[in-house]
Amino acid sequence: AQRVTQPEKLLSVFKGAPVELKCNYSYSGSPELFWYVQYSRQRLQLLLRHISRESIKGFTADLNKGETSFHLKKPFAQEEDSAMYYCALNAGGTSYGKLTFGQGTILTVHP
Amino acid sequence: NAGVTQTPKFQVLKTGQSMTLQCAQDMNHEYMSWYRQDPGMGLRLIHYSVGAGITDQGEVPNGYNVSRSTTEDFPLRLLSAAPSQTSVYFCASRRVGNTEAFFGQGTRLTVV
Repeated sequence: AQRVTQPEKLLSVFKGAPVELKCNYSYSGSPELFWYVQYSRQRLQLLLRHISRESIKGFTADLNKGETSFHLKKPFAQEEDSAMYYCALNAGGTSYGKLTFGQGTILTVHP
Repeated sequence: NAGVTQTPKFQVLKTGQSMTLQCAQDMNHEYMSWYRQDPGMGLRLIHYSVGAGITDQGEVPNGYNVSRSTTEDFPLRLLSAAPSQTSVYFCASRRVGNTEAFFGQGTRLTVV
């Protein structure tokens, strides 16, 4: 069975500071990982996926299979980054179609 | 393009009542899922479907039923509401493969 763990429920930083939101996973197969974001009063939306290897809104995330991690990073946080962030894992094999989320991290960026 | 539509947005139920949360998508997505969002628990998968006529249980299925008679609709039924089912419910859909999930705006359910 797949599992996603986000160890920090709350994370506070000041504007301009670096930020890292941690995500660890357990899955026996080859994982497909995503970061989703929920801004205040908005729907959950995709931020980035590991297969794209792209930077969105200054955020990047690298899949580390050795450490089973997919941490989200941004070198200089902005106030508009304040939101709830979810890490998610897409299963394959007998559990295909099953998208599992972590507990979420609320990021607050102070001015 | 409406995307994923959930109804109602808010609902208050009495313990023991039944109701159906509606979810519809117009993107012809094969996969649809129901999640509940609780403080400190994140998004937990209730049930999911990989196509019309096919459903499976997620992490927290007890107390909920689903069916998928069409590609577009994936209703979630609460047979006998309990206060523990007070939560925000999200429906999501996506295409086959490791693709982006599109979410509804959520249904805030309170069971008293």
